[in-house]
Order: sequence, then C-alpha cells, then structure tokens
Amino acid sequence: GQNIDQPTEMTATEGAIVQINCTYQTSGFNGLFWYQQHAGEAPTFLSYNVLDGLEEKGRFSSFLSRSKGYSYLLLKELQMKDSASYLCAPHYPGSARQLTFGSGTQLTVLP
Amino acid sequence: DGGITQSPKYLFRKEGQNVTLSCEQNLNHDAMYWYRQDPGQGLRLIYYSQIVNDFQKGDIAEGYSVSREKKESFPLTVTSAQKNPTAFYLCASSIDLVSGGPYEQYFGPGTRLTVT
Repeated sequence: GQNIDQPTEMTATEGAIVQINCTYQTSGFNGLFWYQQHAGEAPTFLSYNVLDGLEEKGRFSSFLSRSKGYSYLLLKELQMKDSASYLCAPHYPGSARQLTFGSGTQLTVLP
Repeated sequence: DGGITQSPKYLFRKEGQNVTLSCEQNLNHDAMYWYRQDPGQGLRLIYYSQIVNDFQKGDIAEGYSVSREKKESFPLTVTSAQKNPTAFYLCASSIDLVSGGPYEQYFGPGTRLTVT
C-alpha cells in the first residue's frame, strides 16, 4: 500500500496558524493532492504539489519534500469555517486507481 | 455548468434489498470512481472505471457491483451481500488515466445510505 500517515485530529484557535503533516510511500510517487471536506459534504480540491518546496495560495500553503516522502498543509489566519477534515492524497501514475486517500485530519477551530 | 450529480442525497432501504446509487457527470471525463466513507474515516475505493465498458475492483468491492455503459454514467449497486452497507457514498471523476497527470478528482455531493 501507499502507507499514508496523517494525524487524526488537531485543534487550533481562530486567527492562529496550523500545520497538518502527511507522510507517504515514495516508490512510484509523482505528486500530492490536498482536499478539504466539511462534514457531510464532498471533498474539494485545495492543492497539488509535484515539485519540492512551498506553494502558497492565499491563506493556505502546501509543502512537499519528495526525498523524505513528506508533505504539509499550512493554514494561516484560521477562521471558524476552516473546521473540516483535510485529506492527503498522493498520486501514483503507475497505479490504475491514481489516487489513494489518507484517513484525513479533523481540524477544529475554536473561537 | 459542468459537474457531477448524485441522487438522491439520502436513501433508506430495508435489509436484504438491493439498491442502486446514481452518478452522472457532464465533464467529459473518462475515469470515474466510487468511494465509501464511514464516520470519522477517510475514503475507501469501491470500484473505478477508466473507460466505457471497463471497470476494476478497488479495496472493498465485495457486496457491490457497477456498470459503465455510457461515459457519463457510473451507477453503483449495493447488494444484499454487503454486510454493513450504511455509509456515505461518494462518486468522483477525472480526465483519462492514460496520458500522464495530474488528475484532480471532482466529487459529487454524495448519497447517504441507511439500511435498517
């Protein structure tokens, strides 16, 4: 399998910064997706990283280290609406199913 | 607007009955997927299809069946053989799997199935 590991739960305060880590198997790896999923809703695309380094997109940034099999999602200036599950999904082009999703990190933002 | 539709949003069935969940997309995507999500857990792949008239089992295909007779449609049947069918079912699609990547998956709104 792709051995995806991310924390189950995290809690942070409104206005703060939170980093959600994800590790994955590097064999056959091409890039990594992050999705956001609010309770009872469908996942929505946040980012895709294929190169090493940090990519910033507004309040959300995503980092990738290909050699370490490590990624993180950085959320700044947290808002209550950021309370959601964040799914890490590495992309393996050689696999017919393409993506494998992690179990998700449930982030709770407190006032 | 292009997108993926799943209906109904909520579905109730009695144990022992087969039930079919619909999934339609007008994004002209070749690949389609079915996932199951249980409370507090991630997405588990049930079946996927790369092209019309072809589909492959995912990690938890037992008790489920699919068909892909049209590019736009990928219905999932939950059979009476599925021992614990109550769950949130998500359908997704992406462009073709053959010519490289990356392939963002677009998700439908999901169907919450309750079997009693």
